[in-house]
Amino acid sequence: EDQVTQSPEALRLQEGESSSLNCSYTVSGLRGLFWYRQDPGKGPEFLFTLYSAGEEKEKERLKATLTKKESFLHITAPKPEDSATYLCAVLLPGTYKYIFGTGTRLKVLA
Amino acid sequence: DTAVSQTPKYLVTQMGNDKSIKCEQNLGHDTMYWYKQDSKKFLKIMFSYNNKELIINETVPNRFSPKSPDKAHLNLHINSLELGDSAVYFCASSQDRRGYDGYTFGSGTRLTVV
Repeated sequence: EDQVTQSPEALRLQEGESSSLNCSYTVSGLRGLFWYRQDPGKGPEFLFTLYSAGEEKEKERLKATLTKKESFLHITAPKPEDSATYLCAVLLPGTYKYIFGTGTRLKVLA
Repeated sequence: DTAVSQTPKYLVTQMGNDKSIKCEQNLGHDTMYWYKQDSKKFLKIMFSYNNKELIINETVPNRFSPKSPDKAHLNLHINSLELGDSAVYFCASSQDRRGYDGYTFGSGTRLTVV
């Protein structure tokens, strides 16, 4: 069964304390893996698309990487404004459907 | 200036009522979606339209009926509302049906059925 699992469910970091969020998937023939950020009371905001193992994308303090079974979202020297829920999604092969993970709630303390 | 706008933002209604949620995008995108986010924050696709053609129709009760009068608009009508329909409903759009450039989401409609 196609699945997307994110860990940890919640993460508390001190400002400046780097860490990584994990997204593992069991989809064969991956066509795309997507990272989104969701602030409370708002819709998800697109961050990155990764297509193939070995690919990396960066945006400010965020860096997303992809292997054949998982993706990591590395947060370097986070700030309180990075606090949000981070969602990953996978595009199912042969369809135009995404499966979303349940997200990691990140809280960065000043 | 809002790229994907949904109305209303909040909807509180009684069981058995019929309600509609409207969505409009001004990005010139070809594809629009309805997603449901439950209390555990899990986002699940409901419907997708590409240039007014229904391309994704997930297993949802037939009380839910989407309508796309043109490619910039996608509405969701819900008949005979039930308690379990309470959730946040998100509209989204993408450049094309593949969605490789990511989706742009609206800010959501929080539906509460009492």
